[in-house]
Amino acid sequence: GDSVTQMEGPVTLSEEAFLTINCTYTATGYPSLFWYVQYPGEGLQLLLKATKADDKGSNKGFEATYRKETTSFHLEKGSVQVSDSAVYFCALSGDGANSKLTFGKGITLSVRP
Amino acid sequence: DTAVSQTPKYLVTQMGNDKSIKCEQNLGHDTMYWYKQDSKKFLKIMFSYNNKELIINETVPNRFSPKSPDKAHLNLHINSLELGDSAVYFCASSFNVQTQYFGPGTRLTVL
Repeated sequence: GDSVTQMEGPVTLSEEAFLTINCTYTATGYPSLFWYVQYPGEGLQLLLKATKADDKGSNKGFEATYRKETTSFHLEKGSVQVSDSAVYFCALSGDGANSKLTFGKGITLSVRP
Repeated sequence: DTAVSQTPKYLVTQMGNDKSIKCEQNLGHDTMYWYKQDSKKFLKIMFSYNNKELIINETVPNRFSPKSPDKAHLNLHINSLELGDSAVYFCASSFNVQTQYFGPGTRLTVL
C-alpha cells in the first residue's frame, strides 16, 4: 500500500538557518503530495502541495519539488523563524476516486532565537 | 469564523464509559473525516463520509461508530472506552481529498 517516510526528528535550528526536511514515498499510480503543518495546540493546516511530477509547491517561504525519479518531496526554507516552530507532516493521496491522505510520522521543528 | 469545529476540546473519562465527540463544518464541503493522533504525533485516518455515506472505514474497533446526520456534521461515538483510546482526535473536511481543513482536535484521556 501507499506509505510516506520522513526523516527522524526532532530538529532544532537557530533563527535564520536553512531548513531541509526529507520525505520519500511509495505509491502506485500518480499520487499528489502535500506538506501539512501543525502549530502547538492546533489542528493541521495545508502548507503546500504538488499534484504532478516536477511541480513545485511553495508557501510562506517554504518550497518542495515533486521528484518522481527519486520518489521524494523534500521541504526547504532558506531562513527559518521562531514562528516556524511546529510539527511538519508529509502526506500523499492516491489518484483513485475515494483516495485518502496517508501521512508520514511527522517531525517536530524547534527554532531558537 | 470557525471553519471546522469540534466539541469538546478536552475529554477525561473512566475506562468502560461511552462518550461522543461532535464535529461541524461550515465550509459547504461534501466529505468529512475522523483521524486519530497518538502520543508520538502519528496521524491515521479512521473514517471518511461523503454526502453522509461512509466511504472509508479503516481497521478500527467496532466500539467506534461515526454518525453523519447531515453533510455539515460528523460525530464520533466510542463505546466501552479503553486506555489505548487515549489520543487526540481530529475532524477534517474537504471538497476533494487533497486540501483538507482540520478542526482543532479533541484530546481524549481515558483513566
